[in-house]
Amino acid sequence: QVQLQESGPGLVKPSHTLSLTCTVSGDSVSSDSYFWNWIRQPAGKGLQWIGRIYPSGGTNYNPSLESRVSISLDTSKNQFSLRLKSVTAADTATYFCARGLVDSALGERLDPWGQGTLVTVSS
Amino acid sequence: QPVLTQPRSSSASPGETARLTCTLPGDFSVGASNIYWYQQKAGGPPRFLLYYYSDSDKGLASGVPSRFSASRDVSANAGILVISDLQSDDEADYYCMIWPTDPVFGGGTTLTVL
Repeated sequence: QVQLQESGPGLVKPSHTLSLTCTVSGDSVSSDSYFWNWIRQPAGKGLQWIGRIYPSGGTNYNPSLESRVSISLDTSKNQFSLRLKSVTAADTATYFCARGLVDSALGERLDPWGQGTLVTVSS
Repeated sequence: QPVLTQPRSSSASPGETARLTCTLPGDFSVGASNIYWYQQKAGGPPRFLLYYYSDSDKGLASGVPSRFSASRDVSANAGILVISDLQSDDEADYYCMIWPTDPVFGGGTTLTVL
């Protein structure tokens, strides 16, 4: 059974870079069947998709974050990572990683998700 | 990025049926969109429940009870999550999502089981 686990600093200073890693177990980030996503959720608010990376290394980002975000893949460690630069208090949120997949049975979906990690932007 | 509109809250009693709506913006037709539904319990991650395109094109995720289903209201341009025989364990936030090119979520509805 595939599991995802986020890790990284829980506190980041304003204007600095947020860096998180998602470790995948029970599946391979190199599998052509999946793509790998980051999503965030400010406290008490809704979900915002940040971006995704394919096994080929190709990426797509939310246009509202595209100028500040990058997602990378480390196949040797079966991980993928998020970097968000020039952060402000508005970037304070719980950050989730999730597997993306598409099939005829259930369409396009994000499943499963990691437990999430809270990142606070504060000096 | 389209904005999907969901009521902030809804409530119903155990055993009743809850219907949670998700209204699509005008440039997206519910008749031409897959609508995905996620459940998020307090302190946990979202969980994929099901998708709905039409009565003949829909799917329920593995392990999700058949009490969960979906439909649509074409006149309102809205997708509807239907939870029958409500149980206390169904109390959660529910998010709809569409995927035109990238995932876009609604603001979520908090369902309270009284």
